[in-house]
Amino acid sequence: GEDVEQSLFLSVREGDSSVINCTYTDSSSTYLYWYKQEPGAGLQLLTYIFSNMDMKQDQRLTVLLNKKDKHLSLRIADTQTGDSAIYFCALLRGSTLGRLYFGRGTQLTVWP
Amino acid sequence: DADVTQTPRNRITKTGKRIMLECSQTKGHDRMYWYRQDPGLGLRLIYYSFDVKDINKGEISDGYSVSRQAQAKFSLSLESAIPNQTALYFCATGSGDTGNQPQHFGDGTRLSIL
Repeated sequence: GEDVEQSLFLSVREGDSSVINCTYTDSSSTYLYWYKQEPGAGLQLLTYIFSNMDMKQDQRLTVLLNKKDKHLSLRIADTQTGDSAIYFCALLRGSTLGRLYFGRGTQLTVWP
Repeated sequence: DADVTQTPRNRITKTGKRIMLECSQTKGHDRMYWYRQDPGLGLRLIYYSFDVKDINKGEISDGYSVSRQAQAKFSLSLESAIPNQTALYFCATGSGDTGNQPQHFGDGTRLSIL
């Protein structure tokens, strides 16, 4: 929804790094997630970060969290054509446990 | 086998018809959710349930109803379908036992109302 903002499109060349950004308004957010949606499929959890961390790395994925600016990013190193998908940022608010709030999704297109 | 199964995967129907979308899960999770996805709008929460006796409205519950028949089953009904309910519908599950509480999604039901 409007409390979680993402740009709608990103295009990169194969082998380059991709950075997908997300901003949010609720400072009580406890966990922040990145989901990937491939065509015709549901959302797949890629990674998540707890709000007391500022970075998390998992193979080609790096998540950065700037709590002061309420900014979350997902960096994909050595982007491949198979990374083309929609990426959703989501957050778990401290005030409404059990509910996730999603951004609108960023369509990543990787050109060969 | 998929952990979260939605049926049907695709459905085309006419305005005014009653439709039921079904979701079942083998993950043993207590929480289940129904979302709707429209292009450019992301996911919007329709209803959610934290256990069999618990049903809660989400952001866009008007025109929809749900039933939690068992811990593993959560169905979504459109009592009288209208064209602006054409969308991709997702069921998701989650566990309240883990602090990070990620949700796990089915593959979706594509619903078209003519």
